[in-house]
Amino acid sequence: DAGVIQSPRHEVTEMGQEVTLRCKPISGHDYLFWYRQTMMRGLELLIYFNNNVPIDDSGMPEDRFSAKMPNASFSTLKIQPSEPRDSAVYFCASSSAAGVWQYFGPGTRLTVT
Amino acid sequence: DQQVKQNSPSLSVQEGRISILNCDYTNSMFDYFLWYKKYPAEGPTFLISISSIKDKNEDGRFTVFLNKSAKHLSLHIVPSQPGDSAVYFCAASEGGGADGLTFGKGTHLIIQP
Repeated sequence: DAGVIQSPRHEVTEMGQEVTLRCKPISGHDYLFWYRQTMMRGLELLIYFNNNVPIDDSGMPEDRFSAKMPNASFSTLKIQPSEPRDSAVYFCASSSAAGVWQYFGPGTRLTVT
Repeated sequence: DQQVKQNSPSLSVQEGRISILNCDYTNSMFDYFLWYKKYPAEGPTFLISISSIKDKNEDGRFTVFLNKSAKHLSLHIVPSQPGDSAVYFCAASEGGGADGLTFGKGTHLIIQP
């Protein structure tokens, strides 16, 4: 298996622009998670899905952030409009219903100038 | 309010010796604990886990100890090897591992030859 795939790996954008991060979970996994890593706050959960349905989005920082999972093999995290404080590494992870640990993708490093 | 704390940002250990990484938590509802290892420019990878019904779990050179009364867990690596140099994250979950994870800020372990 290719593991969790994220794209792009790096994104540099200007403040005010829309940013879309993409994730393909491991085939057969029922859960998908979005995390953000910053120096100040470390790794924090933003939102997670079970069978394509959002279960807990309490970690989404603001209305500027939105996440979707239109099917079992694809999810997006969108920031509109982006701000410099959104600069971070965004990780996607997936797990199976029977599994108890999550497999992480390589992350997308976002820089908003 | 950090629910999972790793108070040592870094730790330096000589090759062949034991590495002990510590983690404290405040949420008594956590019932599953995990350690992840992270290399630069990669996503975290699962290392070892422990359920709250146990106090020890061992996997090769890695052992995790859980002290529920003290809300403390530790990861022991013995013997330490150069390839163990990485950032180690302690994580916890309320849902037996199926929910999103709450991470500590990590400890950078450096194995010196």
